[in-house]
Amino acid sequence: KAGVTQTPRYLIKTRGQQVTLSCSPISGHRSVSWYQQTPGQGLQFLFEYFSETQRNKGNFPGRFSGRQFSNSRSEMNVSTLELGDSALYLCASSSTEWNTEAFFGQGTRLTVV
Amino acid sequence: GESVGLHLPTLSVQEGDNSIINCAYSNSASDYFIWYKQESGKGPQFIIDIRSNMDKRQGQRVTVLLNKTVKHLSLQIAATQPGDSAVYFCAENRRYSTLTFGKGTMLLVSP
Repeated sequence: KAGVTQTPRYLIKTRGQQVTLSCSPISGHRSVSWYQQTPGQGLQFLFEYFSETQRNKGNFPGRFSGRQFSNSRSEMNVSTLELGDSALYLCASSSTEWNTEAFFGQGTRLTVV
Repeated sequence: GESVGLHLPTLSVQEGDNSIINCAYSNSASDYFIWYKQESGKGPQFIIDIRSNMDKRQGQRVTVLLNKTVKHLSLQIAATQPGDSAVYFCAENRRYSTLTFGKGTMLLVSP
């Protein structure tokens, strides 16, 4: 069974640009969550989707957005990139509504220059 | 407010020793707790979980203990190996909520 797949693995963008990251959950998993990981702040929750509906949202500015498709694949978008957006963006999927046994992808390393 | 924190930022052990990684949580409404292992350059890897109606759960070489009285969670790794070297995170969850992660503990295993 394939794990959570995130693409691309690495990205370099300049300030002011926008970026779209993709996450394919484990087959059959309907819940997808996104996290930002930085050395200073650790793992911070961005948003969570279940059956195409955003169920929870973290404390991030409106420049961060996401969506989930009918096949459970998810994308997140960051507009008007800032240097501080440089981070590892992680996606996790779960087969349950309750986010039990959430499995993570390898992450997308975003560097903003 | 809610928080999940780790007592020790770095734990150094010798190969073959047993390791204990601790975690404190403040939200008594948490229903579910998870331990993750993250190796350099990789995403967090699920290790073991425990529900709030349990106080102990065992896996392969790992045991998680939950003490709800003092809101404390621990991960015990038996016969620690160099491959266990990583950052370990505890996380807590409540029904239909999201995972809240602790800051992480670095485990260093010397051969």
